[in-house]
Amino acid sequence: DAGITQSPRHKVTETGTPVTLRCHQTENHRYMYWYRQDPGHGLRLIHYSYGVKDTDKGEVSDGYSVSRSKTEDFLLTLESATSSQTSVYFCAITADRNTGELFFGEGSRLTVL
Amino acid sequence: GIQVEQSPPDLILQEGANSTLRCNFSDSVNNLQWFHQNPWGQLINLFYIPSGTKQNGRLSATTVATERYSLLYISSSQTTDSGVYFCAVYGNNRLAFGKGNQVVVIP
Repeated sequence: DAGITQSPRHKVTETGTPVTLRCHQTENHRYMYWYRQDPGHGLRLIHYSYGVKDTDKGEVSDGYSVSRSKTEDFLLTLESATSSQTSVYFCAITADRNTGELFFGEGSRLTVL
Repeated sequence: GIQVEQSPPDLILQEGANSTLRCNFSDSVNNLQWFHQNPWGQLINLFYIPSGTKQNGRLSATTVATERYSLLYISSSQTTDSGVYFCAVYGNNRLAFGKGNQVVVIP
C-alpha cells in the first residue's frame, strides 16, 4: 500500500471556522492532489501540487487554499468553512503525472454545521 | 477536456455471476487506471493499464488504446466486490474520472 496518511479522518465543525486537512506521504512522490467527492458529482479536483511551494488551482478551488512546504506534506485549508464544503476529501499522489500510477489516501469526512 | 464514460452505471449481480464494465474515453491517453471504492469509502487501486491485458485473481482488465476503451471483467462475483468502480485516464494534460459503475452483489 502507498504510504499516504490523511488527518483528521473525521471532523465536525461550525460554519465560519477555519479547517485544515493534512495529507502526509512517505513515498517521496512529486505530485500531490486534493479531491472532494460528493454524490452526483464524482471526484472533483480542488488543488494540486507539482513540488514544494509549487501549487495550482483545480476545477473547484474557490474557498480553499493549499500549502506544500515539504515534499511529504500537502495541506488543504478552508479559511471559513461553509455548509457547501461538507464532503469527503481525498488526497492522491503520483510519481509522474503523465504515466504514473495514482494512489489515494483513505479520505477525510468533513461536516460543516 | 477529455471525456470519460462508464457503463453500465448500475449493476446488480447474483453471487457467482460474471460481469463486464466498460470505460470509453474521448481522446488518446497516457495512462488508465481502474479503482474500486468499497462500501467503507476507500479507493483501492485495481489496475494500472494504459494498454494490453492484466489479470489479478478473479479480476482482469483490457485496454484497447487505439479504440479508446477499457474493460474490467469480474468473474465469479462475491459480495465483497460490491461498491463503485471508477475508471481514470490521463490525457490532454488532465486527469479525468468517469462517474463510476455502481455494483451490488447479492448472496
